[in-house]
Amino acid sequence: AQKITQTQPGMFVQEKEAVTLDCTYDTSDQSYGLFWYKQPSSGEMIFLIYQGSYDEQNATEGRYSLNFQKARKSANLVISASQLGDSAMYFCAMRETQTGANNLFFGTGTRLTVIP
Amino acid sequence: DTEVTQTPKHLVMGMTNKKSLKCEQHMGHRAMYWYKQKAKKPPELMFVYSYEKLSINESVPSRFSPECPNSSLLNLHLHALQPEDSALYLCASSQAVGVANEKLFFGSGTQLSVL
Repeated sequence: AQKITQTQPGMFVQEKEAVTLDCTYDTSDQSYGLFWYKQPSSGEMIFLIYQGSYDEQNATEGRYSLNFQKARKSANLVISASQLGDSAMYFCAMRETQTGANNLFFGTGTRLTVIP
Repeated sequence: DTEVTQTPKHLVMGMTNKKSLKCEQHMGHRAMYWYKQKAKKPPELMFVYSYEKLSINESVPSRFSPECPNSSLLNLHLHALQPEDSALYLCASSQAVGVANEKLFFGSGTQLSVL
């Protein structure tokens, strides 16, 4: 079974608008971490935001926020006030404490295009 | 700017060549990783080094040989590769392994083409 599912292969958003990228996950661990990375065409994976399974508050980092719904096992990324430089591939990833703490499992990614 | 440096950025090699990919970090991280990423796919873990010792080998063919000469350097030696090995090879580092909230810092990758 897929550990991380991203159902949106591609998304478009108008500049200055907000956009939500979906991510659902599957784990039997109680302790795990959820990450979002951005990969521009240059290839580098850029860390955006982290949410721990025990964190009660949704994580925020500047224009990025994570809508964490533990019961639904979802960790959606919200980007506010989109900029042209946000056009990139976005990956949701998970690290489990019990079963796979040495690896980040990545979803298949969502390609975001910001339209001027 | 990335704090994980990978060289070369691009590499073209024949199936009989021997080449090496290099990765360097100066953040004091004790865990380093090699990932392979095919076009339009997510990265897949190949190797993990923890405190300069190989801790994970995800059933990678022996034509890929990792080496960690010291805590700042990670190499990937390539020999007798196949065209299907063409991919982006990403190096990453983290403070340690085995911790759920450890984020990985990635380099820009080496785009490898095997002819």
